[in-house]
Amino acid sequence: QVHLQESGPGLVKPTQTLSLTCTVSGASISGSEDYWTWIRHHPEKGLEWIGYAHDFGSVHYNPSLTSRVTISLDTSRNQFSLKLTSVTAADTAVYYCVRGVRDNWFDLWGHGTLVTVSS
Amino acid sequence: DIVMTQSPVSLAVSLGERATINCKSSQSVFHYSKNKNYLAWYQQRPGQPPQLLIYWASTRQSGVPDRFTGSGSGTDFTLSISSLQPEDVAVYYCQQYYSTPWTFGLGTRVEIK
Repeated sequence: QVHLQESGPGLVKPTQTLSLTCTVSGASISGSEDYWTWIRHHPEKGLEWIGYAHDFGSVHYNPSLTSRVTISLDTSRNQFSLKLTSVTAADTAVYYCVRGVRDNWFDLWGHGTLVTVSS
Repeated sequence: DIVMTQSPVSLAVSLGERATINCKSSQSVFHYSKNKNYLAWYQQRPGQPPQLLIYWASTRQSGVPDRFTGSGSGTDFTLSISSLQPEDVAVYYCQQYYSTPWTFGLGTRVEIK
């Protein structure tokens, strides 16, 4: 059975970089046709797709975040990561690592990790 | 961006009764060349991540009970729960994957009356 697990700091200071890692177990991201995705959940704004990385080399980000976000794969560790620079309080959310399949519906979700941006 | 609007925001239904959730997209999510609606539904139980229920607007994910039914086309979609069970208490979200950025509705909370 495939599992995704997020890890990283739960508190980030304003202007710093948010860094999260997702460890995938039960499946290999190397050679996968799936889209390794990050989604966040704001209390008021709801679910927001951040972007994905694909092992065939493509990445795709939400235009609202593209200047600040990087998603990358580490196939040797079977992990993928999220970096979001210059964070503000508006980036406070629960962050999910997710598997996107076929035409990009999302069939597997990590349990999510709350990241708070505060000094 | 395609805006997904769900209604109602919340609803309370008696056990064994039908619950109906609506989702409207700001533009059509029907892909003519593939003859498919690019719409999914998710269930998020308290304290849990979202879980895929339905894709292609009406195809149930493996393991999803058949009391969950998705319908609609173009811009107007419905998720029905035919006979509400206690484990169906959750927030339900629709999502379009027709064009990036993929977007979600704000959710509909379903409770027991």
